[in-house]
Amino acid sequence: NAGVTQTPKFRVLKTGQSMTLLCAQDMNHEYMYWYRQDPGMGLRLIHYSVGEGTTAKGEVPDGYNVSRLKKQNFLLGLESAAPSQTSVYFCASSFSRPNSNQPQHFGDGTRLSIL
Amino acid sequence: AQKITQTQPGMFVQEKEAVTLDCTYDTSDPSYGLFWYKQPSSGEMIFLIYQGSYDQQNATEGRYSLNFQKARKSANLVISASQLGDSAMYFCAMREGNDMRFGAGTRLTVKP
Repeated sequence: NAGVTQTPKFRVLKTGQSMTLLCAQDMNHEYMYWYRQDPGMGLRLIHYSVGEGTTAKGEVPDGYNVSRLKKQNFLLGLESAAPSQTSVYFCASSFSRPNSNQPQHFGDGTRLSIL
Repeated sequence: AQKITQTQPGMFVQEKEAVTLDCTYDTSDPSYGLFWYKQPSSGEMIFLIYQGSYDQQNATEGRYSLNFQKARKSANLVISASQLGDSAMYFCAMREGNDMRFGAGTRLTVKP
């Protein structure tokens, strides 16, 4: 049972570099989310998708782009990385709008450092 | 303004005792959902319990219960009979529409 898989698990970038984080889920979930977790601030929603081909902004979308070309994949892109984007990134998915029967399933996180 | 507030950065509890972790929220939407997640030191997010805004009864899941006081906009997590394995960060979260907001978390330490 793979669930939600994030690639890579760790990455170090230099300021100005670009990269893409991949989230893959094998549960046929419609909804997918990208969060960042910073010390003392809990998780903050970056972008989310309610289905293939759709994306929407969350609480902190600036500096990030996303794409949902396939239902099982949700990509998070950093076009020009900045030190402020150093964080742990979590992907999550759910069958529908999260509730007791359909909570979010989280990946293990990607630790990203921008030097 | 903060949508989710967890006022206890850290809490200590003796093993086998009960503990309450506080969570207050802010919304004008009549339909919303409240969640509690556990994050052990290994980093994964574990779903614990859910309360819908229209649910009449407080949610319970094993040793976890949610003390839902709608008028006060609070959704406190009660853990009964604490175990050493309960030591972790605990996050309260709220869903409004498709948006999800998390609190800053409470670090619970269970003492033997």
